[in-house]
Amino acid sequence: NAGVTQTPKFRVLKTGQSMTLLCAQDMNHEYMYWYRQDPGMGLRLIHYSVGEGTTAKGEVPDGYNVSRLKKQNFLLGLESAAPSQTSVYFCASTYPTTGDLNTEAFFGQGTRLTVV
Amino acid sequence: GQSLEQPSEVTAVEGAIVQINCTYQTSGFYGLSWYQQHDGGAPTFLSYNALDGLEETGRFSSFLSRSDSYGYLLLQELQMKDSASYFCAVRDSSYKLIFGSGTRLLVRP
Repeated sequence: NAGVTQTPKFRVLKTGQSMTLLCAQDMNHEYMYWYRQDPGMGLRLIHYSVGEGTTAKGEVPDGYNVSRLKKQNFLLGLESAAPSQTSVYFCASTYPTTGDLNTEAFFGQGTRLTVV
Repeated sequence: GQSLEQPSEVTAVEGAIVQINCTYQTSGFYGLSWYQQHDGGAPTFLSYNALDGLEETGRFSSFLSRSDSYGYLLLQELQMKDSASYFCAVRDSSYKLIFGSGTRLLVRP
């Protein structure tokens, strides 16, 4: 059982280049999230999805796009990379829930992206 | 806006007890969660509170007061391996899962 898998694990981009980060989960989770983590700033939500074919903006969506064409995959795209997008990117997934039921989030191992 | 506030760093001695506080302000509230992250690793789930009161899981306990928009994580019998960053997180009414900026815990011998 792989859980949540992110590819690639490391990447160096030049300013202006584009790339796509892939998140795949095999737990049949409905909700998926993309975060970026910078020193001292915790995990900031970029975009998220509550089901196949749906996406929504998080706290810091500018410069990123996402797609959820298949339930198990959530793609994060950078159309024109900037040095400010140098960060560690984490994907997470959870079951759907209503009310107060717990939704433990399962995280991928992260993608370390450097934009030079 | 939405925000979760935590202390940036906490230091404690091995074997001691430490409390990490979290205050939150969100649009809608569906429980407070806690996650642990070791350097270079991914966050992992520790505990969850939907209702007021204390939840205990081994050496870790978590508390919630919804009227005060406040919670804390209590770590007992600290071990060196507990040195890590700890994050509180809240799910809001639009299904966002929002995290605090994290508390770095250093356990000294």
